Amino acid sequence: TQLLEQSPQFLSIQEGENLTVYCNSSSVFSSLQWYRQEPGEGPVLLVTVVTGGEVKKLKRLTFQFGDARKDSSLHITAAQPGDTGLYLCAGYNFNKFYFGSGTKLNVKP
Amino acid sequence: EAEVAQSPRYKITEKSQAVAFWCDPISGHATLYWYRQILGQGPELLVQFQDESVVDDSQLPKDRFSAERLKGVDSTLKIQPAELGDSAMYLCASSLSGRSRTDTQYFGPGTRLTVL
Repeated sequence: TQLLEQSPQFLSIQEGENLTVYCNSSSVFSSLQWYRQEPGEGPVLLVTVVTGGEVKKLKRLTFQFGDARKDSSLHITAAQPGDTGLYLCAGYNFNKFYFGSGTKLNVKP
Repeated sequence: EAEVAQSPRYKITEKSQAVAFWCDPISGHATLYWYRQILGQGPELLVQFQDESVVDDSQLPKDRFSAERLKGVDSTLKIQPAELGDSAMYLCASSLSGRSRTDTQYFGPGTRLTVL
């Protein structure tokens, strides 16, 4: 079993604050994806990282893949209420995706 | 923009009854996934199809769950009999190949199942 642990499990912050969400595993992955899921909807892909140490930026979101390809982080700068949702990481190996436990983010106006 | 369709969106049933969920993936996508998601947690893969073949059903409770994708297009997931612990969101997703580390999974809106 290739487990992905996310932390924190819950995060409630004020608009304008910065935050970081972590995704950790003891397994090496070929790639790591981040999804955001809003209530009552399916997850939507935000980014895919494939190279150890890779950093990708998507507006106020910065994604990093660990050097050993076992962990990843998502950093949000100046969070907005529209960032509220469930953030999921997913690792890929052997033609299969393994989802993390999720981080529920609430950004208060 | 093409989307993954699922129906019904909501289903309430009593335990021991049979339920079925339907999924229509994005046209041309070879891989179809069924996930179960407990509220606030990550999705758990139940079954993965490559065209019409099952490539992974290791987490599917086969004594009560069944899934098929007969023509390699749409798919049905069935539970018989339903149990209280089956209450969850059932998500369907599709991807172009399922064999690439950069594949994107496109998710449908899900079916929220409540078993009373």
